[in-house]
Amino acid sequence: DAKTTQPPSMDCAEGRAANLPCNHSTISGNEYVYWYRQIHSQGPQYIIHGLKNNETNEMASLIITEDRKSSTLILPHATLRDTAVYYCIVRVGRAGGTSYGKLTFGQGTILTVHP
Amino acid sequence: DGGITQSPKYLFRKEGQNVTLSCEQNLNHDAMYWYRQDPGQGLRLIYYSQIVNDFQKGDIAEGYSVSREKKESFPLTVTSAQKNPTAFYLCASSIVDQPQHFGDGTRLSIL
Repeated sequence: DAKTTQPPSMDCAEGRAANLPCNHSTISGNEYVYWYRQIHSQGPQYIIHGLKNNETNEMASLIITEDRKSSTLILPHATLRDTAVYYCIVRVGRAGGTSYGKLTFGQGTILTVHP
Repeated sequence: DGGITQSPKYLFRKEGQNVTLSCEQNLNHDAMYWYRQDPGQGLRLIYYSQIVNDFQKGDIAEGYSVSREKKESFPLTVTSAQKNPTAFYLCASSIVDQPQHFGDGTRLSIL
C-alpha cells in the first residue's frame, strides 16, 4: 500500500472549516484514499473514502487532485468534538493477496478545535 | 443496535500467562481484524480473517493466536511468547471492499 504524509498537527477555530491535507504521491490506480479519525482512547471512526472523484457525506468532504497524488479532508463546520487524530490511508480496493483488508496507519494529524 | 463489542475494556495479565481478548460483531460482516496500538503510534495489523475457519497473519503476528469458529466472533489470545504485550488492542470488521468499522478497544497491562 502507498505511503501517506500528513502534517503532525493543525488548529482550527470552532465553526470554521478544517482542511486536512494528505500527500500520497506513489498511489496506484487501484488504490483508494480512506480517512479515519480517532478520539482519545476510542477505536478509529471511519469518515469517508474515494478513488478519484470528490466525495461528500454527512460528516465531511474529500477532495482528490486530478493526478491523485494528494487529497484534502474538509470538515465544513468544525466543533470541539471534532478534536481527534485524523488518519489518511491508501489501500487497495479489491480483496486478494497480502493487501486484503490491511489499513496501514501512519502518525496522522492531531486536529485541535478551539473555541 | 449493530456494532462491534470488545471486552473487557481493561485487562491485566501476570507475567507468563496467556490472556484472551473477546471481539463480537452483529453486523453480519465476513471479515474481521485485530490491530495493536502503542502510545503515540498508529495501528499495526496482527491477524485478519476473511471467512469462518480461515485467518492470515498480519505484520506483527508473533506471540499471538486467533480462531474464527463463528462468523460473529474473532477472539485474540496474547500468549506468554509475546514479550511486550502492554498495548491498546482494537478489533474491526468489514464486508469485502468496504470500510472497516472498529470496536472501542481493550487496554492490556502487565502486572
